[in-house]
Amino acid sequence: SQKIEQNSEALNIQEGKTATLTCNYTNYSPAYLQWYRQDPGRGPVFLLLIRENEKEKRKERLKVTFDTTLKQSLFHITASQPADSATYLCALERMDSSYKLIFGSGTRLLVRP
Amino acid sequence: GAGVSQSPSNKVTEKGKDVELRCDPISGHTALYWYRQRLGQGLEFLIYFQGNSAPDKSGLPSDRFSAERTGESVSTLTIQRTQQEDSAVYLCASSSFQVPYEQYFGPGTRLTVT
Repeated sequence: SQKIEQNSEALNIQEGKTATLTCNYTNYSPAYLQWYRQDPGRGPVFLLLIRENEKEKRKERLKVTFDTTLKQSLFHITASQPADSATYLCALERMDSSYKLIFGSGTRLLVRP
Repeated sequence: GAGVSQSPSNKVTEKGKDVELRCDPISGHTALYWYRQRLGQGLEFLIYFQGNSAPDKSGLPSDRFSAERTGESVSTLTIQRTQQEDSAVYLCASSSFQVPYEQYFGPGTRLTVT
């Protein structure tokens, strides 16, 4: 069955540094992968999508990479700010249906001022 | 336009009672999803609607859970005879039926069963 793994330990970094979060998946080759941000008490918010034929995608301070050989996506936040502190979820299309997503459990990011 | 809305935002109920949770998706979004998120956990898929039909109910944990959608808009998730293990945040999301199917989430309903 499909499996997504994100580091369950919180990532704690200093303001201004680059945060890098990892998403690994098994047993499937998705056509695309998505990243979401979730703040406490709120629903997830869509951030970025990357397709299987794209190696890298950027949006302002965010960068996502997608290595289909390693079955891994990396999510980078450059020049991190305390406001970036949140839980970041990766999601990929389900094997049985491309319009449904399976979500990872998320990695919590803490940016210290 | 307005985003996805859910009501109530919080619901406290006694064990054994029935509850009904409501979701108003983004206008024009044909796909609607319900998820459950326990404290500190990831999103657990419950059910998916395409229009008014539910082609995938595979995530519903038991027959106490049911959902319906009318008029390709509002959806309600009903939990009968609630149990304490039903306590969680219930999230609704909608998306257009076009690639890449990013989902837009509501704020969730926090359900507490005492």
